[in-house]
Amino acid sequence: ETGVTQSPTHLIKTRGQQVTLRCSSQSGHNTVSWYQQALGQGPQFIFQYYREEENGRGNFPPRFSGLQFPNYSSELNVNALELDDSALYLCASSLRGIADTQYFGPGTRLTVL
Amino acid sequence: AQSVAQPEDQVNVAEGNPLTVKCTYSVSGNPYLFWYVQYPNRGLQFLLKYITGDNLVKGSYGFEAEFNKSQTSFHLKKPSALVSDSALYFCAVREGGGGNKLTFGTGTQLKVEL
Repeated sequence: ETGVTQSPTHLIKTRGQQVTLRCSSQSGHNTVSWYQQALGQGPQFIFQYYREEENGRGNFPPRFSGLQFPNYSSELNVNALELDDSALYLCASSLRGIADTQYFGPGTRLTVL
Repeated sequence: AQSVAQPEDQVNVAEGNPLTVKCTYSVSGNPYLFWYVQYPNRGLQFLLKYITGDNLVKGSYGFEAEFNKSQTSFHLKKPSALVSDSALYFCAVREGGGGNKLTFGTGTQLKVEL
């Protein structure tokens, strides 16, 4: 186990609703990255947070937003949910460095109906 | 833009035989390369990474990977497969020099049979 935890484990929402996913990083880590993994696909980078600021963003619309807190935990918020947002959302923590390794949590399975 | 290709959707191997899971990459600078494994309904577990130096990288659970710059490949290998190795394997690349995102391949399902 990596020490990265995510909540909730599963979530069912309807189209148009808003959702908040949470992540606690591994002890000693200061960077959190979020990924979306659609069924049968590899994870896609959403964004990364370092020192409570967004530090890089993938090809996702602004309705995907996030926060990082002083204790390095993080939230992913998605507004105006669409059916295509159904996926496994993975959080990864790391200690920022030249070639830091990202350690992943178990993920949150989001289903949008 | 960086990218990763895993040309095989599935690899089947008999227990005790060597296994190889293929990966090729494309980046504009020096690559940092990673292998992760995913079991059903679980997150990704880190296996190994290449940053620089020796082209043969050893990782967890007896896995190793060989970096080949001329062929832009980073194939995952294990001398003797176990049934418990059956899982989904992802190769990922990050551009050296400050890039912060991992770009993953589409994954290769490894099935080890008795």
